[in-house]
Amino acid sequence: DQQVKQNSPSLSVQEGRISILNCDYTNSMFDYFLWYKKYPAEGPTFLISISSIKDKNEDGRFTVFLNKSAKHLSLHIVPSQPGDSAVYFCAASEWDGGATNKLIFGTGTLLAVQP
Amino acid sequence: DVKVTQSSRYLVKRTGEKVFLECVQDMDHENMFWYRQDPGLGLRLIYFSYDVKMKEKGDIPEGYSVSREKKERFSLILESASTNQTSMYLCASSPGTGSYNSPLHFGNGTRLTVT
Repeated sequence: DQQVKQNSPSLSVQEGRISILNCDYTNSMFDYFLWYKKYPAEGPTFLISISSIKDKNEDGRFTVFLNKSAKHLSLHIVPSQPGDSAVYFCAASEWDGGATNKLIFGTGTLLAVQP
Repeated sequence: DVKVTQSSRYLVKRTGEKVFLECVQDMDHENMFWYRQDPGLGLRLIYFSYDVKMKEKGDIPEGYSVSREKKERFSLILESASTNQTSMYLCASSPGTGSYNSPLHFGNGTRLTVT
């Protein structure tokens, strides 16, 4: 059962416009959310995160919004640039009191930014 | 800068072979993880380790084992490779329990093909 879902496999956006990537989750115990970006033939790299006690976190062109009641988060990229073209993974973390937390990843959204 | 190195970028193995995937990190991280990435399924956690000689099963451990004899090295073992283990394998590391929400740092992946 997929606890973290990215329902859009792909998204195409014009350069300079806003990209909005969406993510839904089912486990209300998740307390930390992250976005990773992945280029072909490379490992994912961390982009931005948000704690469940916040509803927004911003870092330059990237903003993540969290709606806990809807169990939904989104990543906004403004303005979008061709170099942003990559697969974006949403991930959620739950600490069950063990030695460390585990990250549960979504299925990814391929973003294509057209020049 | 954190570096996670996976020893092979591409591997081709035959069904039934024992396969070793090696991962080394240079940042003295306590936690290490093995994921596999498949189209439409995202990243799924196979095994993780929070200390030397300690290991925990992830979401899909069947058919795999791991070894962590030294802090910097985490090996994934396919005891008897099967075609459904053809995948991209990603190793990651993160600091210890004091910062359990620290982002994961990924290697560039090993694309394994089992024929």
